[in-house]
Amino acid sequence: AQSVSQHNHHVILSEAASLELGCNYSYGGTVNLFWYVQYPGQHLQLLLKYFSGDPLVKGIKGFEAEFIKSKFSFNLRKPSVQWSDTAEYFCAVNEGNNDMRFGAGTRLTVKP
Amino acid sequence: EAGVAQSPRYKIIEKRQSVAFWCNPISGHATLYWYQQILGQGPKLLIQFQNNGVVDDSQLPKDRFSAERLKGVDSTLKIQPAKLEDSAVYLCASSHPSWDTQYFGPGTRLTVL
Repeated sequence: AQSVSQHNHHVILSEAASLELGCNYSYGGTVNLFWYVQYPGQHLQLLLKYFSGDPLVKGIKGFEAEFIKSKFSFNLRKPSVQWSDTAEYFCAVNEGNNDMRFGAGTRLTVKP
Repeated sequence: EAGVAQSPRYKIIEKRQSVAFWCNPISGHATLYWYQQILGQGPKLLIQFQNNGVVDDSQLPKDRFSAERLKGVDSTLKIQPAKLEDSAVYLCASSHPSWDTQYFGPGTRLTVL
């Protein structure tokens, strides 16, 4: 079955530490890839997305993600996290125009 | 630009009762989605509409869940009768075009006692 796996359930970092959140998917064909973020008390919102082209994608607030097709991965990175990055992060994948699948999410806690 | 609106924000019902949720997507967005998010899990797609037609309802428990989008704009999701395991946040999202970014509403938190 098609699935999206996020390796870390809860990550705790200190401010200025580097972040990498893993995401792997099991789709075999062409995919569109997304990272969404949900800050405490707020809606889910888009952080970044990849459809085609440069596999290194830059998003808002200094986040980036790299699509590695051979590894079916789309890991999220940020070189230096801030307390305001505390949130839940969801990786999502769709094939074409439907069947969006979300990972279980990774809760990030940044200690000031 | 107004975002996706949902109501109510919270709902508490007893099992076997019925409940309905309402969603108004972003103006001009042809594609509308309903998701169920159980605590500790990612959103699970229940149903996807393109205008007023259903594109994907493969994960909708059709014995108790129903959804409609009669005029291709607003949508309602109904549960009848509710079970304890239906306790979750119900998210509505919209997009245009369908394969691009989905914009989410605030969700309705349903508690079934």
